[in-house]
Amino acid sequence: DIQMTQSPSSLSASVGDRVTITCRASQSISSYLNWYQQKPGKAPKLLIYAASSLQSGVPSRFSGSGSGTDFTLTISSLQPEDFATYYCQQSYSTVPFTFGPGTKVDIK
Amino acid sequence: QVQLVQSGAEVKKPGSSVKVSCKASGGTFSSYAISWVRQAPGQGLEWMGGIIPIFGTANYAQKFQGRVTITADESTSTAYMELSSLRSEDTAVYYCARVPYCSSTSCFGFDYWGQGTLVTVSS
Repeated sequence: DIQMTQSPSSLSASVGDRVTITCRASQSISSYLNWYQQKPGKAPKLLIYAASSLQSGVPSRFSGSGSGTDFTLTISSLQPEDFATYYCQQSYSTVPFTFGPGTKVDIK
Repeated sequence: QVQLVQSGAEVKKPGSSVKVSCKASGGTFSSYAISWVRQAPGQGLEWMGGIIPIFGTANYAQKFQGRVTITADESTSTAYMELSSLRSEDTAVYYCARVPYCSSTSCFGFDYWGQGTLVTVSS
């Protein structure tokens, strides 16, 4: 199975801050990397697919980059509604799909 | 507008089984893969398995092989996940999610999710 790691596991930030979360795969996954946002009690929401493609309806302050094994999710200017947990997921090898452990973004 | 609506919360005894449904509307059900993902309390996301309804064959994570069965009924646009031999560690929220595109080996992300079904396993 492809293992996914994320850093940091949590971070505190202020509204307006630029936030960067990194994700690393245990082997090359090309660009088959997705990012999700999850708020408490809610289902995950797809933000970015194929490493850098913005899902329809997602604000442009979210962006993704990377290929191979190293990937980044950037929030250019953190908004109050962005406080949540973020997960990366590889979809290169589909049995199984694997998720990172998550990064919790909370208010500083 | 695609919607995935799941069945309601369940409380089960250890050793029993649970079957969760996921009814799709607003899209072409048969052509897309449906995956099942679970989340234990305070924990991360864990993929259990998936199915492409038009083909009818399911794939499962090795961890759940032999305990999980995923099926789909094209006539009602509904996918099902049945987990047997339940234990306390299976207490979790179970989600279904749509996989919008796959090549022969790889896929894009899960674009629509059900609301989640809490399964509590307790004696």
